[in-house]
Amino acid sequence: QVTLKESGPALVKPTQTLTLTCTFSGFSLSTSAMRVTWIRQPPGKALEWLARIDWDDDRFYSTSLKTRLTISKDTSKNQVVLTMTNMDPADTATYYCARDYGSGITRYIDYWGQGTLVTVSS
Amino acid sequence: SYELTQPPSVSVSPGQTASITCSGDKLGDKYGCWYQQKPGQSPVLVIYQGNKRPSGIPERFSASNSGNTAILTISGTQAMDEADYYCQAWDAHAVVFGGGTKLTVL
Repeated sequence: QVTLKESGPALVKPTQTLTLTCTFSGFSLSTSAMRVTWIRQPPGKALEWLARIDWDDDRFYSTSLKTRLTISKDTSKNQVVLTMTNMDPADTATYYCARDYGSGITRYIDYWGQGTLVTVSS
Repeated sequence: SYELTQPPSVSVSPGQTASITCSGDKLGDKYGCWYQQKPGQSPVLVIYQGNKRPSGIPERFSASNSGNTAILTISGTQAMDEADYYCQAWDAHAVVFGGGTKLTVL
């Protein structure tokens, strides 16, 4: 059974750095074609992709946010960590981690965490 | 950057067929996915590889994908299908989502 769960602070102040941890089970991030991705959703708005880390440690970031994001993994702990610097109230959102699996045309984001709401406010 | 465009809202009567469109340059070549999101819940994958349903997704969900447009079709729409629907594709290494469509069943 595949599960993912996000953890981190519910409230951060403007200019602070946000650190979120995704703890997963039911799969290994060392398996070929396995990836963990972060996606956020501001209240009442659409999904927005943030970053991804692959089984081979390749890392990819949203073009608009890449200067603020860092993604890393600890395969032994089944964890992926996302940091976002210089937080702003516009970054208030529910942050999801999810599994992105497959290759070529057979690829999908099939399991999502429950999400964690992060509010940026002084 | 690559963009996917969806109508903000679609309405359908119970038992009728709902169609939600998603437009993007050469989207037909990208074999994207569709997700359903109900209020307060995480998105759920309902279509992948353009037109395949994951295990547990009812047969009334189907999709087509050609040219610049993908269409999610819900046949015999039920009240439980009322939700936000997002199309998604990969553009190089990025994941791209449409703006979402709120499906109202009334």
